Amino acid sequence: LAKTTQPISMDSYEGQEVNITCSHNNIATNDYITWYQQFPSQGPRFIIQGYKTKVTNEVASLFIPADRKSSTLSLPRVSLSDTAVYYCLVGDSYKLIFGSGTRLLVRP
Amino acid sequence: DAGVTQSPTHLIKTRGQHVTLRCSPISGHKSVSWYQQVLGQGPQFIFQYYEKEERGRGNFPDRFSARQFPNYSSELNVNALLLGDSALYLCASRMGQGVGADTQYFGPGTRLTVL
Repeated sequence: LAKTTQPISMDSYEGQEVNITCSHNNIATNDYITWYQQFPSQGPRFIIQGYKTKVTNEVASLFIPADRKSSTLSLPRVSLSDTAVYYCLVGDSYKLIFGSGTRLLVRP
Repeated sequence: DAGVTQSPTHLIKTRGQHVTLRCSPISGHKSVSWYQQVLGQGPQFIFQYYEKEERGRGNFPDRFSARQFPNYSSELNVNALLLGDSALYLCASRMGQGVGADTQYFGPGTRLTVL
């Protein structure tokens, strides 16, 4: 399973766009990239998943370059309620390997 | 539609006791996975069950066991509890075995405290 590297923490302000980049140099051909959001003492919540290029849903966009060695989660116009830990996972398997995630703090 | 459900939400046990945690997957999902999340860390994989068979096991001692029932619900059992077993236990379900874009959805978790 490909290992992922993402920033430990990020700060932002309400209304700004936040981009969290994840590196996954050893991504395999069949691997998908999945992002989860987790609030304290709650289960991770699925945000978005992609294989290549760009994926957009009602809450986020996921940008994946052609070499797929990294990906960027984009959260438009964050609010205080977006303060959470964000996990980037890569794999084509039953077993998801979670890293430490990125702690996003959104300030007023 | 209901998401993944887990019971109980909170549990307090003492060292040496046994605990059983329960999970009901999303309707139509045949795979259930269990994760342990210690405070401040990411979730760690414990087990995956698909069609009532164990398909994967993480690096956890034999005190941890699980099973999946014909209705695809699942139980996680932990024997001889240790203080270090205190954690949030997460259940996740997916439709198949996890190939390709088979997204895994998590339940709210069970908070286990061992005193």
